[in-house]
Amino acid sequence: QVQLQESGPGLVKPSETLSLTCSISGYSISAGYYWGWVRQSPGTGLDWVAIIYHSGTTYYNPSLQSRVSISVDAAKNQFSLRLSAVTAADTAVYYCARAKYISGFGYYFDFWGQGSLVAVSS
Amino acid sequence: EIVMTQSPATLSVSLGERATLSCRASQSVSSNLAWYQQKPGQAPRLLISGASTRATDIPARFSGSGSGTEFTLTISSLQSEDFAVYYCQQYNNWPAITFGQGTRLEIK
Repeated sequence: QVQLQESGPGLVKPSETLSLTCSISGYSISAGYYWGWVRQSPGTGLDWVAIIYHSGTTYYNPSLQSRVSISVDAAKNQFSLRLSAVTAADTAVYYCARAKYISGFGYYFDFWGQGSLVAVSS
Repeated sequence: EIVMTQSPATLSVSLGERATLSCRASQSVSSNLAWYQQKPGQAPRLLISGASTRATDIPARFSGSGSGTEFTLTISSLQSEDFAVYYCQQYNNWPAITFGQGTRLEIK
């Protein structure tokens, strides 16, 4: 059974960088699939943040593209998210998830982490 | 961006009754539509992909239908564990997938 677990600070100051890591068990990140981050805030619902292929190819939500990066550490079977210059609007629960890609189209998420609440506040 | 609109925002249904949730896309997404269930304090759980294919271990009382711009999630006989928020998600538009705003299913 694929399991994902987010880790990282629960509080980040405005203008600083949010960093989260997703640790995977039950599946090797190098074996395939895309891996991604989704965030959820009361005001905006579920929003896709970024996805990465196991080889390192990345895609970002255009609304966040200038501030976000996603990376893979295959040796640790993890992937990570960094979001810079955060504001209160970035306060959300951040989920990591495995993305099932449908050739020629897009992807949906078949396994999710439990979520990590990140608050942006001074 | 493809906008997904779910209705109603809240649906009140009695135990054992049928629930019908709707999801509309602002443009055709073919059958590239997924449904998720989310309970309080938990992550979303995949129910349906391809508009109508149940995910592993999802009970048969959950069914999905539709294509193009109009989709329906039906729960045939509501159990107590089915009361949750349900989201649709289109994945026709690479890589910009989008979610609906959710329908809250509550006990009547």
